Amino acid sequence: QKEVEQNSGPLSVPEGAIASLNCTYSDRGSQSFFWYRQYSGKSPELIMFIYSNGDKEDGRFTAQLNKASQYVSLLIRDSQPSDSATYLCAVINAGGTSYGKLTFGQGTILTVHP
Amino acid sequence: SQTIHQWPATLVQPVGSPLSLECTVEGTSNPNLYWYRQAAGRGLQLLFYSVGIGQISSEVPQNLSASRPQDRQFILSSKKLLLSDSGFYLCAWSLLSGLGYTFGSGTRLTVV
Repeated sequence: QKEVEQNSGPLSVPEGAIASLNCTYSDRGSQSFFWYRQYSGKSPELIMFIYSNGDKEDGRFTAQLNKASQYVSLLIRDSQPSDSATYLCAVINAGGTSYGKLTFGQGTILTVHP
Repeated sequence: SQTIHQWPATLVQPVGSPLSLECTVEGTSNPNLYWYRQAAGRGLQLLFYSVGIGQISSEVPQNLSASRPQDRQFILSSKKLLLSDSGFYLCAWSLLSGLGYTFGSGTRLTVV
């Protein structure tokens, strides 16, 4: 079982719709959760992080965390063509020998079409 | 503000040649530093991380090595490149465990 799993997609949504990106993780000791956006040929950029169960909103983005289900998601409201990118879910287990190590999922390709 | 510099942006190297990629961070002290590789169509794989000068941890056995000669400098090296070393190499930094990373702009390495 992969440590962090994402549906590779591609996920295609129309402009203005809500895009829902999902991620599951295997390590119950995971403490911090991140969403990165990566445009083609570019490096990942951090767009959201969440540490506690529940929802966290930042502009058009909402991160949702459910530690009991080991599930984290990212919602993008009013999707724009400029949101088309690969979205990477990442998880940190800050204990033991994995000192602050970010483990990434494979990424979900999102395409927003006009 | 903190910035991370990574160079070169692209590199084409023959099989068997050496490699040296450099990463420097400005505007902070004692950062945690990381080297990742992203192969075509694959996810990000952690290669090395460092929590201080001279302290290097390797995540996977491979043809590469890393060094941290100064607090804000992280170098990725190889004595002899293999075709399988091709990929997108990313340097990243963070201040504290549990915080997200900031990535450099990356080096796209093609071994021919």
